Amino acid sequence: DAKTTQPPSMDCAEGRAANLPCNHSTISGNEYVYWYRQIHSQGPQYIIHGLKNNETNEMASLIITEDRKSSTLILPHATLRDTAVYYCIVRVRSGGGADGLTFGKGTHLIIQP
Amino acid sequence: EAGVAQSPRYKIIEKRQSVAFWCNPISGHATLYWYQQILGQGPKLLIQFQNNGVVDDSQLPKDRFSAERLKGVDSTLKIQPAKLEDSAVYLCASSTQRFTYEQYFGPGTRLTVT
Repeated sequence: DAKTTQPPSMDCAEGRAANLPCNHSTISGNEYVYWYRQIHSQGPQYIIHGLKNNETNEMASLIITEDRKSSTLILPHATLRDTAVYYCIVRVRSGGGADGLTFGKGTHLIIQP
Repeated sequence: EAGVAQSPRYKIIEKRQSVAFWCNPISGHATLYWYQQILGQGPKLLIQFQNNGVVDDSQLPKDRFSAERLKGVDSTLKIQPAKLEDSAVYLCASSTQRFTYEQYFGPGTRLTVT
């Protein structure tokens, strides 16, 4: 089962910042937070990941609380093409076994024109 | 760089028939995954390969599903016989190695079992 909790859906106006929350209160010290998104009829796409520091790349920013029990994905200037299902996933970063991703139901983000 | 290729994109079969899906990962990627995504849910891992060996198949219904990755490149996922509940999108993903941060997903094969 997924170790994260996300709201099922959110709306955001085009051009505004989209802030997607994720709760992962049982996260372990060696687990990272990963974000993927899935645009309709496509496979999931990696966005960003982090351990405890805030991270930023060309797609988004990831803010992780100090206690690591929750995080927020920020799309700074949302466009219509950002409409997708966003998945927050926790997983260890290294190990000797399998590393498949455990997806929940995610958040369906709808960008309104 | 070419992405993960999958075929066919769509398949409709009757229950109790068999079906096979093909995946060609990104060149040089050692790790290959098959996920099943039922409508309204997130993808669920079925099987993971490292080169041509199985790393994890704990969620693969082995009485009807099988997968292989001969020569450590292409992979085939087979269902025989299919059930109505197998209707789903089957996603293939690959990564350079285990525990890298990014898995690259193909477009998926949408299977409808009638």
